[in-house]
Amino acid sequence: NAGVTQTPKFQVLKTGQSMTLQCAQDMNHEYMSWYRQDPGMGLRLIHYSVGAGITDQGEVPNGYNVSRSTTEDFPLRLLSAAPSQTSVYFCASSYEGAAGNTIYFGEGSWLTVV
Amino acid sequence: TQLLEQSPQFLSIQEGENLTVYCNSSSVFSSLQWYRQEPGEGPVLLVTVVTGGEVKKLKRLTFQFGDARKDSSLHITAAQTGDTGLYLCAGDYGNKLVFGAGTILRVKS
Repeated sequence: NAGVTQTPKFQVLKTGQSMTLQCAQDMNHEYMSWYRQDPGMGLRLIHYSVGAGITDQGEVPNGYNVSRSTTEDFPLRLLSAAPSQTSVYFCASSYEGAAGNTIYFGEGSWLTVV
Repeated sequence: TQLLEQSPQFLSIQEGENLTVYCNSSSVFSSLQWYRQEPGEGPVLLVTVVTGGEVKKLKRLTFQFGDARKDSSLHITAAQTGDTGLYLCAGDYGNKLVFGAGTILRVKS
């Protein structure tokens, strides 16, 4: 059982480049989300999805796009990378919703924008 | 402004000491969770509390949810070096899980 898988683990981008962080889960979870983690800020929610075809914004959605075409996959797209997007990104999933459910996190993707 | 405020931000103690970390908010949460995160890894769920006044124990860790469901605490008895890590509280807010900034705990031998 792979759980939540994120790729790539590390990435360096130049300002203005685009890229996609991949996230896949094999637990048939309906709820998936993306967070970014910065020193002293904890984890901040970027976007989340309560099921295939449904996405919504979190606390810090600007500069990021998501889609949820299947239950398993929830990619995060940076359309034009900026240095302020240098961060560690975590994908997470749970069976349904955030309330009271166990949320499983991936191992993180370290992104540096120069 | 963080919806959940954690204190202290950093704690360095000797092995065997007791400690308490706090998670406070002006908002009411239907449930609150505590996570532990080690360097280079994602957070791992320790406990979920859902009832005001609830106390849960996990070996040397005691978690309490405030009566008004706005705050929580994590108490560790006789800390061990293996307890070192980042402790995060998180509350469900709408259908979103929001996190505090975390408490970095370092237990020295």
